[in-house]
Amino acid sequence: EAQVTQNPRYLITVTGKKLTVTCSQNMNHEYMSWYRQDPGLGLRQIYYSMNVEVTDKGDVPEGYKVSRKEKRNFPLILESPSPNQTSLYFCASTTIRTGNTEAFFGQGTRLTVV
Amino acid sequence: AQSVAQPEDQVNVAEGNPLTVKCTYSVSGNPYLFWYVQYPNRGLQFLLKYITGDNLVKGSYGFEAEFNKSQTSFHLKKPSALVSDSALYFCAVRDVTDSWGKFQFGAGTQVVVTP
Repeated sequence: EAQVTQNPRYLITVTGKKLTVTCSQNMNHEYMSWYRQDPGLGLRQIYYSMNVEVTDKGDVPEGYKVSRKEKRNFPLILESPSPNQTSLYFCASTTIRTGNTEAFFGQGTRLTVV
Repeated sequence: AQSVAQPEDQVNVAEGNPLTVKCTYSVSGNPYLFWYVQYPNRGLQFLLKYITGDNLVKGSYGFEAEFNKSQTSFHLKKPSALVSDSALYFCAVRDVTDSWGKFQFGAGTQVVVTP
């Protein structure tokens, strides 16, 4: 089954404690991205990657890092989380070989930073 | 730069009545347009997309959407709403000329269908 898998689904952490949210896809997609969802703001892109070792900032990259060492994995790293990073996070993947392909989303990670 | 507007934060409709969720977009080139639905505690599920051709696109769960180039709109419709259609709906656009795959999402519209 084609899917994007995120872990964990729920995470509560304290300010400043480094954390990683994992994302994996099994569709051999080149393009992967991270979004955060906040009420009234919709989905905002944090970072994206067009292929292995190719990453770039999205609209709201401050406070986040990513890496793309393998095609299937795209972890999101918060080196020093702060309360304003409390949000619902989604990983997504798609192919860029055909621009008309929809994005596939993970189930989401609800992060609370206290 | 591309953008998407969903002018209504919430749409309320009685079960059995027609449902419309509005979306307008702005892109520099030609658009690929998408609708997604999000149920509570779930990820985004793809509903339908407009790529080219027929302006009326049919998708999952009885939903359809009409592409109107002159009005730059892509409204989502369902002839007869169900209580189970209550969810958060997102419109998204992707520029045909953008090979890097970025999707621009609207802020979302909460649909509430009452029995």
